[in-house]
Amino acid sequence: GENVEQHPSTLSVQEGDSAVIKCTYSDSASNYFPWYKQELGKGPQLIIDIRSNVGEKKDQRIAVTLNKTAKHFSLHITETQPEDSAVYFCAASTGNQFYFGTGTSLTVIP
Amino acid sequence: DAGVIQSPRHEVTEMGQEVTLRCKPISGHNSLFWYRQTMMRGLELLIYFNNNVPIDDSGMPEDRFSAKMPNASFSTLKIQPSEPRDSAVYFCASSLGTGLTGELFFGEGSRLTVL
Repeated sequence: GENVEQHPSTLSVQEGDSAVIKCTYSDSASNYFPWYKQELGKGPQLIIDIRSNVGEKKDQRIAVTLNKTAKHFSLHITETQPEDSAVYFCAASTGNQFYFGTGTSLTVIP
Repeated sequence: DAGVIQSPRHEVTEMGQEVTLRCKPISGHNSLFWYRQTMMRGLELLIYFNNNVPIDDSGMPEDRFSAKMPNASFSTLKIQPSEPRDSAVYFCASSLGTGLTGELFFGEGSRLTVL
């Protein structure tokens, strides 16, 4: 089955700096890569996703890049704000199976 | 829409007791997922339904766990008998289509503590 690895497990950045979270996957059939944000006491919420026919996608301060050859994808958050503090999960889907990464706890220090 | 609704939000029970968690998916969504979240194992898919039919239950830990979806607007996850290692946050999520290549909408979770 698919194996999704996520790094780092914890990340602290100063407000205004950028944050980067990286994931790798093993199944070359994976073609959908979403990112979820989980705030304390809540369920995960989709923040951005990318499909295998696209190399990069941007939504305001958030961007995701995908390298299918290397089987890795990354989340980039620019100009971080305290409200970006949360746990972020990557995921990979083949269309038949869906796997989450282990999560990254991001702390933005004011 | 109110989103995915789960109940109870918190449950404390003693080992050996039966636990039933409930979920109301978003109206019109035809896929429903049950996840378990722990610090050690992260988010684990337990089972998912498409059009009320269980499609993949390979994540259900053992026979003590069972899930049903009697209609499009309701699902239950039952643990009988419960054990301390079942302590976790259980999430229900729903989506359009198969849900495996589109957005999952999560409820706020049911935090289970088994003493």
